[in-house]
Amino acid sequence: DIQMTQSPSSLSASVGDRVTITCRASQSISSYLNWYQQKPGKAPKLLIYAASSLQSGVPSRFSGSGSGTDFTLTISSLQPEDFATYYCQQSYSTPIFTFGPGTKVDIK
Amino acid sequence: QVQLVESGGGVVQPGRSLRLSCAASGFTFSSYGMHWVRQAPGKGLEWVAVIWYDGSNKYYADSVKGRFTISRDNSKNTLYLQMNSLRAEDTAVYYCARDEYSSSFPHSYNWFDPWGQGTLVTVSS
Repeated sequence: DIQMTQSPSSLSASVGDRVTITCRASQSISSYLNWYQQKPGKAPKLLIYAASSLQSGVPSRFSGSGSGTDFTLTISSLQPEDFATYYCQQSYSTPIFTFGPGTKVDIK
Repeated sequence: QVQLVESGGGVVQPGRSLRLSCAASGFTFSSYGMHWVRQAPGKGLEWVAVIWYDGSNKYYADSVKGRFTISRDNSKNTLYLQMNSLRAEDTAVYYCARDEYSSSFPHSYNWFDPWGQGTLVTVSS
């Protein structure tokens, strides 16, 4: 089974900061990697699919990169509405999917 | 607009059964695979099950295999999750989500979009 890890597990940042979240797969997953944002009490929302493709309607301050085992989600300038938990998800082993444990971004 | 609405959650005793529903609207339901994903209180996301657009194939996480059954009624635009032999560790918010994909080699890229608002299942005596 493919295992996903994320780092850090949480971070504190200020509005306007550049934020980087890392996701690592236990084996190569090419570009089969998605990112989701979840706010408290709400359903997850797709941000990035296929490692670097921005979902329609998602602000351009969000970007994804990486291939193989190491991936990055970057928020270029953190906005108040971006405080949330972020999850990566591998779709290499479809139809079995695995999520990372999440990274909580809160206000410094 | 595209919408998924879950229902059927509640409090149930260990060992009992519960059936969740997910009503879809705003898109051609019969053209999409569908997923169930759950989230235990204060925990991360766990993929539970997937069903092909026509119901021909179904796959499950090991944690629910043999106890849960995913199904769909395309005439009613509704997805189901039959949960049997429930355990305390099945306590979670259950989300349904649509499978989106982009063709590629060796296989398509898949992602989940959109998601429903979730329904809470509490397994407790």
